[in-house]
Amino acid sequence: AQSVTQPDIHITVSEGASLELRCNYSYGATPYLFWYVQSPGQGLQLLLKYFSGDTLVQGIKGFEAEFKRSQSSFNLRKPSVHWSDAAEYFCAVDPILTGGGNKLTFGTGTQLKVEL
Amino acid sequence: EAQVTQNPRYLITVTGKKLTVTCSQNMNHEYMSWYRQDPGLGLRQIYYSMNVEVTDKGDVPEGYKVSRKEKRNFPLILESPSPNQTSLYFCASSLARETYNEQFFGPGTRLTVL
Repeated sequence: AQSVTQPDIHITVSEGASLELRCNYSYGATPYLFWYVQSPGQGLQLLLKYFSGDTLVQGIKGFEAEFKRSQSSFNLRKPSVHWSDAAEYFCAVDPILTGGGNKLTFGTGTQLKVEL
Repeated sequence: EAQVTQNPRYLITVTGKKLTVTCSQNMNHEYMSWYRQDPGLGLRQIYYSMNVEVTDKGDVPEGYKVSRKEKRNFPLILESPSPNQTSLYFCASSLARETYNEQFFGPGTRLTVL
């Protein structure tokens, strides 16, 4: 069965520092890959997605992610973190089922704390 | 405004008292889905629906029912809630084509079962 691993449960960074959140997936083929953000008390917002092509994808709020097939990874990065980035981040995969629809499998999430 | 709405946003109930959480989308999406979010477990799919009258189990369907009588609505029914169903629930919708379609999430319903 497919799975998504986010090895870091909590991460604390200083405002202005760089950020990298790790995500590894286990699946036979390359699925669609996503990063979502959940701010306190809010729903999930899509940050960025990867389907194919350029392995470095840009998203909203200054985030980017790099797909590395050899490592089955899709790590999220931001060069300079802002206090408003404090939230929980979820990596997700979509196995691209035949017949359409989206069956997302989520990682367990990484809680980001930003120190001022 | 394109959106997925859920009601109620917060609910405290007691064991065994039937409840329904509603979900509605105004984007004419065929695909709708329910997830539950628990600390340390991420989001897990409960049920999904590919279109009207077409529903199927996700990863954690036990204790839940759904129905899809209209395209825009996908209610989640707990016939006899138990404390282990205390969780944060999200409804989501998307178009149902074989290429990628962004999944839109509702704001969540926080359920506490005493």
